[in-house]
Amino acid sequence: GAGVSQSPRYKVAKRGQDVALRCDPISGHVSLFWYQQALGQGPEFLTYFQNEAQLDKSGLPSDRFFAERPEGSVSTLKIQRTQQEDSAVYLCASSSLRDGAGTQYFGPGTRLLVL
Amino acid sequence: DQQVKQNSPSLSVQEGRISILNCDYTNSMFDYFLWYKKYPAEGPTFLISISSIKDKNEDGRFTVFLNKSAKHLSLHIVPSQPGDSAVYFCAASLGRGKLIFGQGTTLQVKP
Repeated sequence: GAGVSQSPRYKVAKRGQDVALRCDPISGHVSLFWYQQALGQGPEFLTYFQNEAQLDKSGLPSDRFFAERPEGSVSTLKIQRTQQEDSAVYLCASSSLRDGAGTQYFGPGTRLLVL
Repeated sequence: DQQVKQNSPSLSVQEGRISILNCDYTNSMFDYFLWYKKYPAEGPTFLISISSIKDKNEDGRFTVFLNKSAKHLSLHIVPSQPGDSAVYFCAASLGRGKLIFGQGTTLQVKP
């Protein structure tokens, strides 16, 4: 079956621009996660959804970052007024179990470059 | 404050030999540990995991060992194959799926 897909795969933004990154989880997966991976580092947790409810947003670095999953499937991560330090790979993952349990399956990521 | 550390940025081994990747952690509340493998331009792929109540888990060529007293885990790959060349991340879970990742170790398996 289809895995987790993300779009766009690459995004170049000018500083100050708003961007929206999309994640299509595996069909039927209840839990959805966003991570940020800076160059040479491991992924860092941003936020977690169970269905449409955002249960943990403790990793969002500032109020410029906003995530939603209105119908409990597709999720969008929005970054307002992008800064150069936002340049990173943004990874989405989903799992089939509630409460974030179960194996997390990752998408290929969106590489964001802010100039 | 790096709660999960992979102190070796890279490792090179000969095909057929054992690869040992190491990971240290500081938080004794972690309840689950995982290893992910990542190829360039792809997302991390789950390899193997271990619960904090166990000390060993094996799956084919991959074995994970957990030493809670030392707050240390390791991944053994035997025998190593060129296709195993990738970046390996260890990760720890505090519950509710929030994974804390190490910085990664790049493994190169030479033919």
